Amino acid sequence: SQQGEEDPQALSIQEGENATMNCSYKTSINNLQWYRQNSGRGLVHLILIRSNEREKHSGRLRVTLDTSKKSSSLLITASRAADTASYFCVAGGSEKLVFGKGTKLTVNP
Amino acid sequence: DAGVIQSPRHEVTEMGQEVTLRCKPISGHDYLFWYRQTMMRGLELLIYFNNNVPIDDSGMPEDRFSAKMPNASFSTLKIQPSEPRDSAVYFCASSSKTGVGHEKLFFGSGTQLSVL
Repeated sequence: SQQGEEDPQALSIQEGENATMNCSYKTSINNLQWYRQNSGRGLVHLILIRSNEREKHSGRLRVTLDTSKKSSSLLITASRAADTASYFCVAGGSEKLVFGKGTKLTVNP
Repeated sequence: DAGVIQSPRHEVTEMGQEVTLRCKPISGHDYLFWYRQTMMRGLELLIYFNNNVPIDDSGMPEDRFSAKMPNASFSTLKIQPSEPRDSAVYFCASSSKTGVGHEKLFFGSGTQLSVL
């Protein structure tokens, strides 16, 4: 399986601040994906970074990948109250996609 | 496309009753996943299918749980008999695998199951 483990478990920041979440994994991967889950809803795909990429941007999202350390980080810049959600990573490549427990982000207005 | 459709959205039942959760994946997707989410255990992969065939059911907690995919557009997850500890949100997700693996899972809105 390709499980990612997110860190920290919870993060609370003020609106306008940046939020950084980390992900570690154990096996080799083809890609690393980040998902967001708003309370009571299904997960939504945010961004994918391939194993041969080191950094990727999408709007206020910035993802980095360090395959030598088997780690990734998700940075949300200029956070908004609407960014309050749980964030999950999953290491892609095999068929079996296993999620960690996520990082619960709270953005206070 | 309407996305992955799950039904019912909420299910309340009594211990011992049979529960059937339903999922319609996105048309053209050849992988379907069933996950269960609780506060204590997080998001657990129960089983996944490829081209309607169960590939890995090692996450199914016990024999009380069974899943089927009779065709490419429909899957069910059945719990019989249900127990209070089965209370959770059950998600279905579908995907189309490329040559470099799954690149995006599409999740349904989930079924909130409460077993009294």
